[in-house]
Amino acid sequence: GENVEQHPSTLSVQEGDSAVIKCTYSDSASNYFPWYKQELGKRPQLIIDIRSNVGEKKDQRIAVTLNKTAKHFSLHITETQPEDSAVYFCAAMGSNYQLIWGAGTKLIIKP
Amino acid sequence: NAGVTQTPKFQVLKTGQSMTLQCAQDMNHEYMSWYRQDPGMGLRLIHYSVGAGITDQGEVPNGYNVSRSTTEDFPLRLLSAAPSQTSVYFCASRSGAGYGYTFGSGTRLTVV
Repeated sequence: GENVEQHPSTLSVQEGDSAVIKCTYSDSASNYFPWYKQELGKRPQLIIDIRSNVGEKKDQRIAVTLNKTAKHFSLHITETQPEDSAVYFCAAMGSNYQLIWGAGTKLIIKP
Repeated sequence: NAGVTQTPKFQVLKTGQSMTLQCAQDMNHEYMSWYRQDPGMGLRLIHYSVGAGITDQGEVPNGYNVSRSTTEDFPLRLLSAAPSQTSVYFCASRSGAGYGYTFGSGTRLTVV
């Protein structure tokens, strides 16, 4: 079945620097890849998503890139701010149209 | 437009008790799912539904039942609570296969 691996598990960056989180997936038929942000004690919230017919998508300081050939996709956050501190989850659409989730990345923004 | 509403927010059960976690959405979404999230862990799919009257098992269905009699409601039943079911439970809905989930605020369940 589909498997999604997410790296790193923890990422610490200086405020103002960029952060990159990477995910790989196994099912070449996957065609939808969302990213979620979960703050401590809160619900996961969709921050950006990409479909397989697009290579890159941007929304202000956040961007996602997709490499279908290599079966990996990445989240890029530029000019990081303290409020970016959270756990970020990637996911890929599986064959039963359910999302297969990565294990999460804890992003720490150092002041 | 309330989104996805879960009740209760907190619950303590004794081992062996049963209960139902409620989930309702007002966005006319076809797809609904239940996840559990253990401390410091990711999301694990319990059960899901692709429309009224249609449900299926996720990766950790044992000990839980669901039904989907209406588009709006998707309750999760714990049949006989066990300490291993202590977790945060999230209900989520989306309009189609190629769209992101909207999550409820979660139910924090403790089984003693």
